[in-house]
Amino acid sequence: DIQMTQSPSSLAASVGDSVTITCRASQSFRNYLSWYQHKPGKAPKLLIYAASSLPRGVPSRFSGGGSGTDFTLTISSLQPEDFATYYCQQSHTMPYTFGQGTKLEIK
Amino acid sequence: QLQLQESGPGLVKPSETLSLTCTVSGGSISSSSHYWGWIRQPPGKGLEWIGNVYYNGVTDYNPSLKSRVTISVDTSKNHFSLKVTYVTAADTAVYYCARLESGYYDAFDVWGPGTMVTISS
Repeated sequence: DIQMTQSPSSLAASVGDSVTITCRASQSFRNYLSWYQHKPGKAPKLLIYAASSLPRGVPSRFSGGGSGTDFTLTISSLQPEDFATYYCQQSHTMPYTFGQGTKLEIK
Repeated sequence: QLQLQESGPGLVKPSETLSLTCTVSGGSISSSSHYWGWIRQPPGKGLEWIGNVYYNGVTDYNPSLKSRVTISVDTSKNHFSLKVTYVTAADTAVYYCARLESGYYDAFDVWGPGTMVTISS
């Protein structure tokens, strides 16, 4: 299985800050990397697919990058609604696997 | 707008079978561009992919659960289902159904709200 390791596990930031979350894969691959936002009691929301593409309706302050084994999610100019847990997920090889999550909290 | 909704018992006894259904509305489950998946999240833990099904019944499963899991599809009812046999407390989780968009490099682009299933006698 491809192991996905996110860092940091938790992060405190203020509204208006820019933050970056990293996801490292145990094997190299291109593009089959997604990012999700998850709030308690809600369904996860797809933010990024193919490592750097935004689905329709996702604000442009979210951006993704990387290839190989290292991928990033950057949120610029944090808004109050962005405080949540973020997960990366690889769909390059089955079983699909998720990172352990990064909890973004208000400072 | 496509919506997914999980349904099924919220409490299952150990060693019995967990059965959930995901009803798809606002679109057809018979789309050639999509697979339909189940993902779960145990309390305090991360997300775990369980498996996918295609509208023609082709399935893929997580090997860690494969011996106990069956995912099936009923195109006439526009829904797909999950069965997990011989459940234990480790199967206690919020269970989500989701659509896998092949055009999005196999990302899960639409999710149900999730349903909590507790395994307890």
